[in-house]
Amino acid sequence: DAGVTQSPTHLIKTRGQQVTLRCSPKSGHDTVSWYQQALGQGPQFIFQYYEEEERQRGNFPDRFSGHQFPNYSSELNVNALLLGDSALYLCASSFGTADNEQFFGPGTRLTVL
Amino acid sequence: SQKIEQNSEALNIQEGKTATLTCNYTNYSPAYLQWYRQDPGRGPVFLLLIRENEKEKRKERLKVTFDTTLKQSLFHITASQPADSATYLCALDPAEYSGAGSYQLTFGKGTKLSVIP
Repeated sequence: DAGVTQSPTHLIKTRGQQVTLRCSPKSGHDTVSWYQQALGQGPQFIFQYYEEEERQRGNFPDRFSGHQFPNYSSELNVNALLLGDSALYLCASSFGTADNEQFFGPGTRLTVL
Repeated sequence: SQKIEQNSEALNIQEGKTATLTCNYTNYSPAYLQWYRQDPGRGPVFLLLIRENEKEKRKERLKVTFDTTLKQSLFHITASQPADSATYLCALDPAEYSGAGSYQLTFGKGTKLSVIP
């Protein structure tokens, strides 16, 4: 079992561009959550996908959008990139109920210049 | 406002001693609280979950307590080893009241633990 995988590992973009990050959940998991982690901070919840629908959303603007596919994999899209979007983007998968442990991927390091 | 605070940004202890990390929260009524370990450049790894009706949970050298009156969780690593050096994050269900249920986790900033040989 490969666990949670994310691609790409690193990404450099310029302000105003758009980016798509990808995540494959751990085998058997049906729920994917996305988090943003700035340097020296804890992860901040962006949103969660379950059954191809956004189930819950954190305090992030509409520039952040996502998608979940029938195979449970997920994408995070960020439009009109700002310098402040530079961070480690983490994908976490889980199964079923809210209090299940989350399995995190290694993250995608996004740098916006 | 709602807040999660972990006692210190960094904690240095001698190998073999017990490390105690603190997580305090305000204006939450979480149904559960989780602890994660994060190594540099990696995603967090789940360690323990403790529910509101549990006082204490143990796993090998790890122990977590949860006091909903004090709004505090303590995380202990006994017989600490240099390999325990990492950042430890507490995370909770940010429900406005117990039982409301939330699918997200709200994390503290973490405490960077260094175990000195």
